[in-house]
Amino acid sequence: ETGVTQSPTHLIKTRGQQVTLRCSSQSGHNTVSWYQQALGQGPQFIFQYYREEENGRGNFPPRFSGLQFPNYSSELNVNALELDDSALYLCASSLQGLGGNTIYFGEGSWLTVV
Amino acid sequence: AQRVTQPEKLLSVFKGAPVELKCNYSYSGSPELFWYVQYSRQRLQLLLRHISRESIKGFTADLNKGETSFHLKKPFAQEEDSAMYYCALSGTGTALIFGKGTTLSVSS
Repeated sequence: ETGVTQSPTHLIKTRGQQVTLRCSSQSGHNTVSWYQQALGQGPQFIFQYYREEENGRGNFPPRFSGLQFPNYSSELNVNALELDDSALYLCASSLQGLGGNTIYFGEGSWLTVV
Repeated sequence: AQRVTQPEKLLSVFKGAPVELKCNYSYSGSPELFWYVQYSRQRLQLLLRHISRESIKGFTADLNKGETSFHLKKPFAQEEDSAMYYCALSGTGTALIFGKGTTLSVSS
């Protein structure tokens, strides 16, 4: 059973640029969610995808967007980067539809906006 | 408003001492409560969930709906328990609302 993998692990972008972060979900999982973790804070829910459709969104502006592919892997896109977007971005996968969903996290992608 | 509060940023105890990491929540409805742990240089992982009523690595947590609390307890702390602990709740689907976390430091 493979775990959740994310890429890249670290990256630096300039304010105003765009970034794409990638996630491969755990084998057999159909739901992917993304979280932003700023320094000293707990993870904050960005959005969730279930079977390629967004089915939940946190308090993040539209410049945060995502995709889920037929193999359940996912991308997080952030446009018009701002300095406050600097954070650890966590991807998590789960198998929705069964009781007691356990969410498995990846190691995250560290984004620094300068 | 949905919220998870962990009042302690840092909890330092000696090996063998009891540990209690506090967690209070605000949610209209019946949430599911979790404790996640992050050891140094490792990914965030589930420690326990209230519906399982398990004891994992000697830790237990009881959901108190009257006090809206889900405190994490261990009678005798070990050095390997040193980590960051996050309390979280899930109301709809699998989206989690996390607290800010408590760093547990266990020294000998």
